[in-house]
Amino acid sequence: EVQLVESGGGLVQPGGSLRLSCAASGFTVSSNYMSWVRQAPGKGLEWVSVIYTGGSTYYADSVKGRFTISRDNSKNTLYLQMNSLRAEDTAVYYCARDRIAVAGTYFNYWGQGTLVTVSS
Amino acid sequence: DIQMTQSPSTLSAYVGDRVTITCRASQSISSWLAWYQQKPGKAPKLLIYKASTLESGVPLRFSGSGSGTEFTLTISSLQPDDFATYYCQQYNDYSRTFGQGTKVEIK
Repeated sequence: EVQLVESGGGLVQPGGSLRLSCAASGFTVSSNYMSWVRQAPGKGLEWVSVIYTGGSTYYADSVKGRFTISRDNSKNTLYLQMNSLRAEDTAVYYCARDRIAVAGTYFNYWGQGTLVTVSS
Repeated sequence: DIQMTQSPSTLSAYVGDRVTITCRASQSISSWLAWYQQKPGKAPKLLIYKASTLESGVPLRFSGSGSGTEFTLTISSLQPDDFATYYCQQYNDYSRTFGQGTKVEIK
């Protein structure tokens, strides 16, 4: 059974840093495209970042230069390093497994999410 | 980036009603569209991909149609478990943009 379990969320001050983790089971993270998607309180979904099987990474413009996606193959875990955090980064962060289509990807498995609150 | 616009933002309906949600793309995305259902406090769940292909295990009362820039999600007979928020998502380009969501409420 595929499972994704996020952790690492919490309260952080503006300008601070946080690292989110997503532990996967039932499949191999490095053999799949993996994404982070966030949802601000009461708002819609926003794709944040993806890491491809070959290691290429891509980011939404809103987080480019501040966030870094990575994975640890030995731990079968996905990460999101978030630096220079802003109030507008406050959201539930979901990790998701991408399903690859001809043009792009969509998300067929999701974790339960972890809440990041950026506030002084 | 491709913009996705859903309508309506909120929909009130009775159990048993036929419900249709519309999603429009700012440019053609062929059939590269997915639909998700999200219940409060839960992660989204994939319902449909490639505009009209039902994900395994999803009830047959859900269907999707459209191509290019206009798409619809239809629930043929609304059930109590279907009251939720629905999102479309394009995957024609790297930006993977979502619509703003349509909340389906009990009337």
